Amino acid sequence: EPEVTQTPSHQVTQMGQEVILRCVPISNHLYFYWYRQILGQKVEFLVSFYNNEISEKSEIFDDQFSVERPDGSNFTLKIRSTKLEDSAMYFCASLDNSYEQYFGPGTRLTVT
Amino acid sequence: GIQVEQSPPDLILQEGANSTLRCNFSDSVNNLQWFHQNPWGQLINLFYIPSGTKQNGRLSATTVATERYSLLYISSSQTTDSGVYFCAVSQGGSEKLVFGKGTKLTVNP
Repeated sequence: EPEVTQTPSHQVTQMGQEVILRCVPISNHLYFYWYRQILGQKVEFLVSFYNNEISEKSEIFDDQFSVERPDGSNFTLKIRSTKLEDSAMYFCASLDNSYEQYFGPGTRLTVT
Repeated sequence: GIQVEQSPPDLILQEGANSTLRCNFSDSVNNLQWFHQNPWGQLINLFYIPSGTKQNGRLSATTVATERYSLLYISSSQTTDSGVYFCAVSQGGSEKLVFGKGTKLTVNP
């Protein structure tokens, strides 16, 4: 069964560094998403991406964040200058044509 | 925006017991999904259920869209059922999912 994959599974970085989180969505899906979950809290929407552009973003998704689909398979989330409060689990998801979203296993980002 | 409320926030059971988790939402939805977050933090998709009833083994779910709630039933619970159960809904537009705060289930042996 097709699945969403994410790399790395765990990323440790120092405050102020740039990080890129990578996702490979399911190949025939058209909508892609990033969500994040701070430890012990609920999952929050960051951004949705369709037809090579952002379709919606949350208040969390400020100028420090960017997304890109550099080729036909990868979908990336970049954080330009990480802060301590960016430490969280980041999930990528993609949507099929029945509105069901499929989630990747997540990348745990730790900012020290 | 749409509000998603889950109850109870915490639930402790003995192995073998049954349980019902509830999700209320404040507006009509295109999608409703139930997830189980395992101890490694992964979100396991249990059900895609914008309306109706589905069953998968010991788990079943019912969504009554007209009354804006969904129920997740776990029968004969096992210790491996422990974790946090999230309900999430989406409406139109980008179909982003809005999550509830979850129900933390602990099943004791």
